[in-house]
Amino acid sequence: DTGVSQDPRHKITKRGQNVTFRCDPISEHNRLYWYRQTLGQGPEFLTYFQNEAQLEKSRLLSDRFSAERPKGSFSTLEIQRTEQGDSAMYLCASSYGGGWSYEQYFGPGTRLTVT
Amino acid sequence: AQRVTQPEKLLSVFKGAPVELKCNYSYSGSPELFWYVQYSRQRLQLLLRHISRESIKGFTADLNKGETSFHLKKPFAQEEDSAMYYCALFSNTGKLIFGQGTTLQVKP
Repeated sequence: DTGVSQDPRHKITKRGQNVTFRCDPISEHNRLYWYRQTLGQGPEFLTYFQNEAQLEKSRLLSDRFSAERPKGSFSTLEIQRTEQGDSAMYLCASSYGGGWSYEQYFGPGTRLTVT
Repeated sequence: AQRVTQPEKLLSVFKGAPVELKCNYSYSGSPELFWYVQYSRQRLQLLLRHISRESIKGFTADLNKGETSFHLKKPFAQEEDSAMYYCALFSNTGKLIFGQGTTLQVKP
C-alpha cells in the first residue's frame, strides 16, 4: 500500500466547467476526509465520511460541491460551475478510526486552477 | 469557537540555533493538539501529538493550558528541518482544525 492517492494531481479548467476529483484512501481505513488549502493558509475542513456515510459538511461546501463515497472505499469530490475562488489545493486524508488517537494520513493533493 | 493561531508566517534561523514555532489555540474542553510538517514537494505528515509526549527528530511540544499554547521547540536546528509546519487541533466533531502555518528556514 503506497498510502493515500489522489487523481488528478493537477487540473486546469475554465470558469463554469464541472470538475471531479478522486481519492483512494489506505485500504483498511474507514474514515475519509476532504480539506481545501488556499495559498498562504492551512488546510480547511470540507467534509468527511465514515465508511459510506457523510457525517459532516463544512459551511465552505456550497451547493456547488458534492462528495460521495459510494462503497466506503474511494471518494469523489465534484465541483459544479467552477468559479475562480475555487482555485486551491484539494487534500484528501484517511484514518483507521474516528478518534483523536487515529492519525490522519494525507494524500498529495489535487491542485485546481480555474481560469 | 475552535481556532488555531500561528502568529509567524516565516521563521528564519541559522543552523545550530534554537527554534520555537508558536501555536495558540481556542477550545472549550480538553484539547488534543498536533504538529504536522510538509517538506518541499512532499505530502503533509504528522510530526508529533501532545498526548504521547514524544520527541520526534529532536522536536518537542508542551501543552500549556493556562496560556492555551502548544509551541514546537528544538534546541539545535538542522538544515533538513526547513519546511512548513502546521499546528492542528482535533475538534469534538472529528476533524482537524489547522493554523495558517509557519515556514521554517534554516540557513547554513
